[in-house]
Amino acid sequence: SQTIHQWPATLVQPVGSPLSLECTVEGTSNPNLYWYRQAAGRGLQLLFYSVGIGQISSEVPQNLSASRPQDRQFILSSKKLLLSDSGFYLCAWTSESNQPQHFGDGTRLSIL
Amino acid sequence: SQQGEEDPQALSIQEGENATMNCSYKTSINNLQWYRQNSGRGLVHLILIRSNEREKHSGRLRVTLDTSKKSSSLLITASRAADTASYFCATVNMEYGNKLVFGAGTILRVKS
Repeated sequence: SQTIHQWPATLVQPVGSPLSLECTVEGTSNPNLYWYRQAAGRGLQLLFYSVGIGQISSEVPQNLSASRPQDRQFILSSKKLLLSDSGFYLCAWTSESNQPQHFGDGTRLSIL
Repeated sequence: SQQGEEDPQALSIQEGENATMNCSYKTSINNLQWYRQNSGRGLVHLILIRSNEREKHSGRLRVTLDTSKKSSSLLITASRAADTASYFCATVNMEYGNKLVFGAGTILRVKS
């Protein structure tokens, strides 16, 4: 069966520090991969999605970036975090873009 | 924006009662999906209804779709305390690249 792993579960970082969040999927090949951010009490905002290795589409201009170095690995990065980057970050995958998405358990990021 | 909007924002009911949540959207869709999110966790897909379907059932869940009114409803029958969670609708629009667009969600609290 397919599984998705996201880590770390929580992260506290100072303003201006770098960021790397990792997401991996097991049990499937060539998935579509997504990074979302969720503000407290709000819906999900799509940040990046990828339909293949090295193919990244950005939805919202910001100081975050994403990379897909391997088929089932999706990484969210920043060179210098801002206070506004605080939030709950969720990774998801799907086999086809109009099908249900499967989510990881998220990373709670707090910027101090 | 085709963002779905859930109504009500919050709902509190007694165990055993039915819970109804509504979702409205603005553009034509390929399908509409409902997700559930327990506090601090990732989203879990509940049910997908295609644009040519009017009603769908899954266990205690019943989803309706009215494309003429651009609205959907999620009914949870005989609610349980374990149904306490946030519920989100998300729409898929082929013109929007088949990406999921989420509403802000309904917070459901089931009191035992």
